[in-house]
Amino acid sequence: KAGVTQTPRYLIKTRGQQVTLSCSPISGHRSVSWYQQTPGQGLQFLFEYFSETQRNKGNFPGRFSGRQFSNSRSEMNVSTLELGDSALYLCASSSGQANTGELFFGEGSRLTVL
Amino acid sequence: KQEVTQIPAALSVPEGENLVLNCSFTDSAIYNLQWFRQDPGKGLTSLLLIQSSQREQTSGRLNASLDKSSGRSTLYIAASQPGDSATYLCAVYPPGAGSYQLTFGKGTKLSVIP
Repeated sequence: KAGVTQTPRYLIKTRGQQVTLSCSPISGHRSVSWYQQTPGQGLQFLFEYFSETQRNKGNFPGRFSGRQFSNSRSEMNVSTLELGDSALYLCASSSGQANTGELFFGEGSRLTVL
Repeated sequence: KQEVTQIPAALSVPEGENLVLNCSFTDSAIYNLQWFRQDPGKGLTSLLLIQSSQREQTSGRLNASLDKSSGRSTLYIAASQPGDSATYLCAVYPPGAGSYQLTFGKGTKLSVIP
């Protein structure tokens, strides 16, 4: 059974540009969550989608957005990139069943903003 | 606001030693608690999930316990091996149905010396 797949794995952007990251969850999983990991702040929750609806959102500016498609694949977008957006972006999937489902993470997309 | 603390931040042990990693959280009203491991530059690998009604979980040489009333969890690793070298993270699930807005600790970086 394939795990959580994230693309691209690495990317470099310049300030002011925008970026779109993609996540394919484990087959059958309907919940997709996104996290940002930085050396200073650690892992921070961005948002979670279930059946194409955003269920929860973390404390990030509106430049960070996401969506989920009918096949449960998810994308997140960051507009007007800032140097501080350099981070490892991790996607996780779960069955989505009321807090009993275990979270499984992908390998992440490492974004560098120059 | 939930805060998760992992002490120590780094730990170095000789191969074969048994060890305990600690995780504490400020708000005991959590649902599940999950332990992960992260290798450098990689995503998170799920180790153990302790669900709401459980107090401990075991997998191979790993045993995790949870005491919600005291706000503490421990991860016990028996007979440590160099391959166990990684950063270990604990994360707590908030109460309420359907939320994957986990709060993570900063992790304990474990080095097992051959």
